[in-house]
Amino acid sequence: DVKVTQSSRYLVKRTGEKVFLECVQDMDHENMFWYRQDPGLGLRLIYFSYDVKMKEKGDIPEGYSVSREKKERFSLILESASTNQTSMYLCASSRTGRGYSNQPQHFGDGTRLSIL
Amino acid sequence: KNEVEQSPQNLTAQEGEFITINCSYSVGISALHWLQQHPGGGIVSLFMLSSGKKKHGRLIATINIQEKHSSLHITASHPRDSAVYICAVSANNNDMRFGAGTRLTVKP
Repeated sequence: DVKVTQSSRYLVKRTGEKVFLECVQDMDHENMFWYRQDPGLGLRLIYFSYDVKMKEKGDIPEGYSVSREKKERFSLILESASTNQTSMYLCASSRTGRGYSNQPQHFGDGTRLSIL
Repeated sequence: KNEVEQSPQNLTAQEGEFITINCSYSVGISALHWLQQHPGGGIVSLFMLSSGKKKHGRLIATINIQEKHSSLHITASHPRDSAVYICAVSANNNDMRFGAGTRLTVKP
């Protein structure tokens, strides 16, 4: 079974702090994704990565950066946290196939981040 | 307007009822996904389909490509089916687009 592990289930940080969210997958998947989920809006893609050291902006990359130094680990960084970044953050991974979006994505349990 | 619309937003049913959740989309797609999210956040992929119908246990997913519409059915619903069900599409430009989800509560 694919396991996608996010480092924290709940996190509380202060405005202006630099925040790191970590995600690790154990199935040697090429693709990894970071989403945020807000009520009534569904999941929105922040960044994705299709290989080590490669990254692509999603729909809402502003205020975020990512790092993928190893294939199994994809980190989301909030450079200077703001209250509007309070949200549920979900990491996912998938195999490369006929276009990354045609492969099932495997999700972590999510990190509920509160910025005070 | 969202590219993926789900209805209803919230659904309450009695145990044993037949449930239908609908999804309409406005973009060209290569596949449609149904996902389940339990309280606490974890998301599980239920189905990925590009035509016709798929069945897994008490769950059935159908898609009509011409009408750009999909339905998720649950037969003999049970309280453990209570979750948020999310429709997502793999758009032809390789993007994934997600619906806002349908919150299902099944009462005993």
